[in-house]
Amino acid sequence: DGGITQSPKYLFRKEGQNVTLSCEQNLNHDAMYWYRQDPGQGLRLIYYSQIVNDFQKGDIAEGYSVSREKKESFPLTVTSAQKNPTAFYLCASSMGDRASRTDTQYFGPGTRLTVL
Amino acid sequence: GQNIDQPTEMTATEGAIVQINCTYQTSGFNGLFWYQQHAGEAPTFLSYNVLDGLEEKGRFSSFLSRSKGYSYLLLKELQMKDSASYLCAVRDRDSNYQLIWGAGTKLIIKP
Repeated sequence: DGGITQSPKYLFRKEGQNVTLSCEQNLNHDAMYWYRQDPGQGLRLIYYSQIVNDFQKGDIAEGYSVSREKKESFPLTVTSAQKNPTAFYLCASSMGDRASRTDTQYFGPGTRLTVL
Repeated sequence: GQNIDQPTEMTATEGAIVQINCTYQTSGFNGLFWYQQHAGEAPTFLSYNVLDGLEEKGRFSSFLSRSKGYSYLLLKELQMKDSASYLCAVRDRDSNYQLIWGAGTKLIIKP
């Protein structure tokens, strides 16, 4: 089955620790995205990547880092510099044909990160 | 500036019809998406509109008026499983074709 996987589903970390969230897709999509979702707010874009070995900052990139070494994988590291890291993190992918009807984003199941 | 507005919460009765509105202000409109999100789960794609008019897909329909900056999602024959949040997102050319998201409308279905 094709899809997007994120692991783990729940993650707890102590304040001051870096943590890496996994995102893998086997849809052969070129583009991948990381969003953060907080109660009462719309999804906010953290980073996105249109192609392997390239990525761009979204609206709230401070305190986060990413890599895109493989087409299938787009891990997100939440660093200790992120002031309010507790949130629901969603990874998405799309074909990457920007401005096309087919460039619909499909989401993974999400990782709920709690920093204690 | 860029802005997407949706009602925070709506309540409807099982078997009825409900319309969820979305108004937007963006500088480079390039399409509007509706997603459904059950609590604690990922958003799932429902519909896409880029031209004015109504797109029908089973019990769900989505309408767009670009001149008014307005869309709605129409859900017919409501079922209990339709209780979820409905997210409106606009693709914006001037934001490198990224999506700008509304905060979502929580729909509560009562028996």
